[in-house]
Amino acid sequence: GENVEQHPSTLSVQEGDSAVIKCTYSDSASNYFPWYKQELGKRPQLIIDIRSNVGEKKDQRIAVTLNKTAKHFSLHITETQPEDSAVYFCAATQEGAGGTSYGKLTFGQGTILTVHP
Amino acid sequence: EAGVVQSPRYKIIEKKQPVAFWCNPISGHNTLYWYLQNLGQGPELLIRYENEEAVDDSQLPKDRFSAERLKGVDSTLKIQPAELGDSAVYLCASSFSLAGTTDTQYFGPGTRLTVL
Repeated sequence: GENVEQHPSTLSVQEGDSAVIKCTYSDSASNYFPWYKQELGKRPQLIIDIRSNVGEKKDQRIAVTLNKTAKHFSLHITETQPEDSAVYFCAATQEGAGGTSYGKLTFGQGTILTVHP
Repeated sequence: EAGVVQSPRYKIIEKKQPVAFWCNPISGHNTLYWYLQNLGQGPELLIRYENEEAVDDSQLPKDRFSAERLKGVDSTLKIQPAELGDSAVYLCASSFSLAGTTDTQYFGPGTRLTVL
């Protein structure tokens, strides 16, 4: 099955700095990679996702890059703000017809991001 | 639109007692997921339903866990009997998924279970 490794486990930055979180995956069949943000005691919320037919996707201060050959993808947050402080999870799954792996998100271990004012 | 609803939000029970969690997915979502989230970890899939059919329950400990999704809408996850190691947050998620695609999974607030 799929295995997703996420680094770093904790990340502390100053407001305005950039933050980068990296994930690697093991199953070359995985082709959909979402990122979720989870604030303390709250539900995970999708912030951005990428499919394997593109190498980069950007949404305002958030971007995700994907390297299929190396099987890794990264989340980039620019101009960080205190409200960006949360736990961030990457995930991977396989889109495609059939198979029990379809739609099954495998999550990384999470990164605790702290943005200091 | 209303999000995924779960109840109860918190549950404290003694070991060996039964417990049940309820989930109401987003209206129109045909796929429903139950995840287990241990403290400091990412969610792990327990079971996935497409409509009323459980299409992936390979990670569900079937000796004590059971789930149902009658009529393809609401779902209930049950543990009987609960063990100390079952203390965790149980998350429900839903999506509208067509064959060959993976739509965004929307999560509920979760039920935090404490087994004493």
